Amino acid sequence: EAQVTQNPRYLITVTGKKLTVTCSQNMNHEYMSWYRQDPGLGLRQIYYSMNVEVTDKGDVPEGYKVSRKEKRNFPLILESPSPNQTSLYFCASGNLQGDGGTEAFFGQGTRLTVV
Amino acid sequence: GIQVEQSPPDLILQEGANSTLRCNFSDSVNNLQWFHQNPWGQLINLFYIPSGTKQNGRLSATTVATERYSLLYISSSQTTDSGVYFCALEGTSGTYKYIFGTGTRLKVLA
Repeated sequence: EAQVTQNPRYLITVTGKKLTVTCSQNMNHEYMSWYRQDPGLGLRQIYYSMNVEVTDKGDVPEGYKVSRKEKRNFPLILESPSPNQTSLYFCASGNLQGDGGTEAFFGQGTRLTVV
Repeated sequence: GIQVEQSPPDLILQEGANSTLRCNFSDSVNNLQWFHQNPWGQLINLFYIPSGTKQNGRLSATTVATERYSLLYISSSQTTDSGVYFCALEGTSGTYKYIFGTGTRLKVLA
């Protein structure tokens, strides 16, 4: 089944304890991206990647790191999480369509709480 | 940047009713998608529809790119249709950044 898989689905952690949220897609997509969703602010892009070893900042990259060593994986790293990073996180992957746009597929989300 | 507005913001329906959700956008776009966020928070891909009309079961969507709007039709609604419906557009080609609308929160009553 074609899908984007995130792990873990739920995580409660303490301030300052490094964590990684994994994301893997099995659709051979070139594009991958991370978003966070917060009440009243909607979904905002954190980082995106156009291909292996190519990453760039989105709108809210502070406090996050990413890497794209393989096409299928795009982990999100929080080196020193803080309570303001409590959020619902989504990984997405996409493929370029013939009309020039990209169709996005989202993972099931990771609900992170930092205390 | 591109502005995306959705209406109505909230909608309550009885099971079996039909509804139309609207998405207006302020600039030409390469793509447009409709998503359903279910009560568990998952974002389900409904349609990739930069232009034209598509149908999938009880759902259909139409995008009129020249007039900068898209419509999502839900027919014979079911309680499982409850959740938030988002339209999203790729704001700048090549950044793979989707600009999401504010959403329409739908509740279907049994």
